[in-house]
Amino acid sequence: KAGVTQTPRYLIKTRGQQVTLSCSPISGHRSVSWYQQTPGQGLQFLFEYFSETQRNKGNFPGRFSGRQFSNSRSEMNVSTLELGDSALYLCASSFSPGGENIQYFGAGTRLSVL
Amino acid sequence: TQLLEQSPQFLSIQEGENLTVYCNSSSVFSSLQWYRQEPGEGPVLLVTVVTGGEVKKLKRLTFQFGDARKDSSLHITAAQTGDTGLYLCAGSSGAQKLVFGQGTRLTINP
Repeated sequence: KAGVTQTPRYLIKTRGQQVTLSCSPISGHRSVSWYQQTPGQGLQFLFEYFSETQRNKGNFPGRFSGRQFSNSRSEMNVSTLELGDSALYLCASSFSPGGENIQYFGAGTRLSVL
Repeated sequence: TQLLEQSPQFLSIQEGENLTVYCNSSSVFSSLQWYRQEPGEGPVLLVTVVTGGEVKKLKRLTFQFGDARKDSSLHITAAQTGDTGLYLCAGSSGAQKLVFGQGTRLTINP
C-alpha cells in the first residue's frame, strides 16, 4: 500500500509569489492534516480536512489556505510569500479525523523563500 | 492553549549509554504519541499511550505515560547509532488536533 505522497519535494520561490503544495493520502484515508515545521517553532498545525470540509484550523494568517478533493487528495496554498514561510510542510493522513487516530506523514515539501 | 514541552532539546551521547527524554504539559491528554523523524523524511509513529501509568516497550525503547496523563517519558537503553534522529511527542484530546512538542534531537556517537 503506497504511503502519503507529497509533491513537489523541494521548491524555491521569491517573496510575494504564491505556491501550491499537493498531498495524496494513503488509499482509504479520508482525513488530511497539514503542518509547518521549522527549527525554531517545531511542528505547527495548519489545518485538517475531512470529506472535503475543513474541520480544524491552526493559528496561521489567511495567506495559508487549503482544500480537499472528492478523492481525498489535498492541496495547500500560500499566497504573498514571506521569508518566514521557509519551512518543511508536512501532510499527514488518517482514516478518521481527530488526533487520536494514527496519522501517517509524508516526506514533506521543503519550501525556500528568497 | 495546550502546550507540550520536551527536554532536553538536544542530546549527544556515546553508543551504549542510556538516556531519557521527557515530555511535559500542564494539560491532560487523552493519549500521547511518540514519533521519530529522520532527515529528509516525515515523522514515523513509534507508540501511542492512552492509559495513565501505562508503560510500553519497543525493543530497547520504553515509553511511559504519567499517572495524571500530563506527561510522558521515553527511555532508551544501550543506545545505538541507528537511534539518531528527532524524537517528537504529540498529545491528543478527543477529536481535537494533535499538539506537538518542540522535539529532542538525539545524536548517538560511535
